[in-house]
Formats: sequence, structure tokens, C-alpha cells
Amino acid sequence: GQQVMQIPQYQHVQEGEDFTTYCNSSTTLSNIQWYKQRPGGHPVFLIQLVKSGEVKKQKRLTFQFGEAKKNSSLHITATQTTDVGTYFCAGWGSNYKLTFGKGTLLTVNP
Amino acid sequence: GAGVSQTPSNKVTEKGKYVELRCDPISGHTALYWYRQSLGQGPEFLIYFQGTGAADDSGLPNDRFFAVRPEGSVSTLKIQRTERGDSAVYLCASSFANPYEQYFGPGTRLTVT
Repeated sequence: GQQVMQIPQYQHVQEGEDFTTYCNSSTTLSNIQWYKQRPGGHPVFLIQLVKSGEVKKQKRLTFQFGEAKKNSSLHITATQTTDVGTYFCAGWGSNYKLTFGKGTLLTVNP
Repeated sequence: GAGVSQTPSNKVTEKGKYVELRCDPISGHTALYWYRQSLGQGPEFLIYFQGTGAADDSGLPNDRFFAVRPEGSVSTLKIQRTERGDSAVYLCASSFANPYEQYFGPGTRLTVT
């Protein structure tokens, strides 16, 4: 079945440094979503990418969807302590079932 | 407005017992999903409802797991003869439609002793 892999599993940065997490799917995706889960919380939707090569920005966050629609990335510029949490990518395949990656846990040292 | 709510927030049960977990989706959301999340893992899909019907139940681990959504709003996830391996956080999410953004509830932490 469809698999979604994320790297790295953990990332610790100093406040102000940049952060990137990468997501790869074993199959072509119809679209991809990103979620953030704070410690002890539940996943919260960040964004959805649909088009091949799409790039979207939300303030300090930049999301990209690969040309082949099999990979994606999330880049955070100048991290802040409020960015702490686990970032998940989740891909929609042909069966309209959302498959989550294992996530990247970001910790930020103030 | 009100978000997705789940009850109970915590459930401790003994091995072999039956449990029911409830989800109240956002009003007007026709799509409802159940996921299971273990520590250090992403949410794992269990079942998807479109209205009252289970459109995809391929994620249910075995026949001990069953879910219903009789009136197209509230859903109940039922687990029979619980096992220690069923211990996890069970998340419910709802969506205006598939495959739009999903709104997650706070989850039910199930512990089987």
C-alpha cells in the first residue's frame, strides 16, 4: 500500500535558525497536506498542495510539492519557540485515504 | 464555533472488555474519519464515513473493531475484547468533504491493562 516517509525524525535548532522537513511518497499523490501537532495536542491543518511544482507560503513557512507529485517539503525561516511541535505530511492517493508520515519533531532552543 | 469533540478523553479498561469511543464532528461536515496514533507515530487511518455509510473501512485492524454513524453526525468506535496492543490515542476528524482539510478532535487516550 501507499507509504509516506518523512525525514528527519527529530530536529533541534537554536531560535532563529532555519528548519526543513522532507516528505516522500511511494506512489504519486493527488494532493498533500501538512499538519502540526503541539506536544500533548492534536494535529492542526496547515496547508494543502494540489498542483505539480506548487509552492505556497504562510509567513515564515514555505511549502513545496514536487514536480512528480511524490515528494514535498516544509521550510521554516528563522524559527521561534512557538514553532515547537511535530510536523506531519499526509498524502492523498487514488483511494482518497489520507496516509500520514511519522512526522518530524522540532524542538527550538531559546 | 464548536470544534470536533471526543468522549471520553481518557479510558482505562481491562483486557477483554468492550469499549465505545464517541466523536461529535463539526456541524455540517459530511466526512468523518477515525485514526489511531501511537507514541512517536503519525495518525493511522482506520475508517472513513461519508454521511451515514462507511466509505472505506480498510484500516480497521480486525473484526474486533467496528464503527457506526447512524444519523450522519455523531460516530461511535466500538472495540470488542480489548487487547493491550489496542492502547493508543484514538483521534476523530471531520471534513466538509473529501479530500479537504480535516479538523481533528482532542482524541481519546485508551489504555488496556
